[in-house]
Amino acid sequence: NAGVMQNPRHLVRRRGQEARLRCSPMKGHSHVYWYRQLPEEGLKFMVYLQKENIIDESGMPKERFSAEFPKEGPSILRIQQVVRGDSAAYFCASSPGTVGRNTIYFGEGSWLTVV
Amino acid sequence: AQKITQTQPGMFVQEKEAVTLDCTYDTSDPSYGLFWYKQPSSGEMIFLIYQGSYDQQNATEGRYSLNFQKARKSANLVISASQLGDSAMYFCAINFGNEKLTFGTGTRLTIIP
Repeated sequence: NAGVMQNPRHLVRRRGQEARLRCSPMKGHSHVYWYRQLPEEGLKFMVYLQKENIIDESGMPKERFSAEFPKEGPSILRIQQVVRGDSAAYFCASSPGTVGRNTIYFGEGSWLTVV
Repeated sequence: AQKITQTQPGMFVQEKEAVTLDCTYDTSDPSYGLFWYKQPSSGEMIFLIYQGSYDQQNATEGRYSLNFQKARKSANLVISASQLGDSAMYFCAINFGNEKLTFGTGTRLTIIP
């Protein structure tokens, strides 16, 4: 049973370009979460999605960031017109139901570097 | 306000000794879940252990155990018989009854041979 799969693991973008990060949840998991980790900090919640629905995007920056989890295919975190401050590790996580005893499993992360 | 605190930015422990990593939290919500994750230098987040606020017994998973003191609002991670491979960042996280995990700032643990 494969874990949460994220790609790419490492991504370098120039300022102003777009970054697309992909996440395939664990088999049987219908809940996907995105977190961001700035250097030397803990993870910060960004967005929670279920298939075709954004449930909670309270942690998403208001501009340039968007997320989707289509009926078919992986979840995508999209960052438009990247700036240096977007450089961070972006973690996707999935769970089979609401967070709790079902627990939540993280992918290996995608490291975005903006130059 | 709900928050979670890890007061130890870094710890050095001799191999084979036990180590306790501190985590305190502040919430008025009676229902919550506590998680510990390990992040080695390779970067992935590895789930270690979970404790529900209504669980009667402290959680254990192999060498990991959780010293859960609900009245004191603390959920310290205990690693017994530490190994060199335990060197990593350790994050405490809490779920306050919604879908978000709130993370502490982490503790960098270094095991000394």
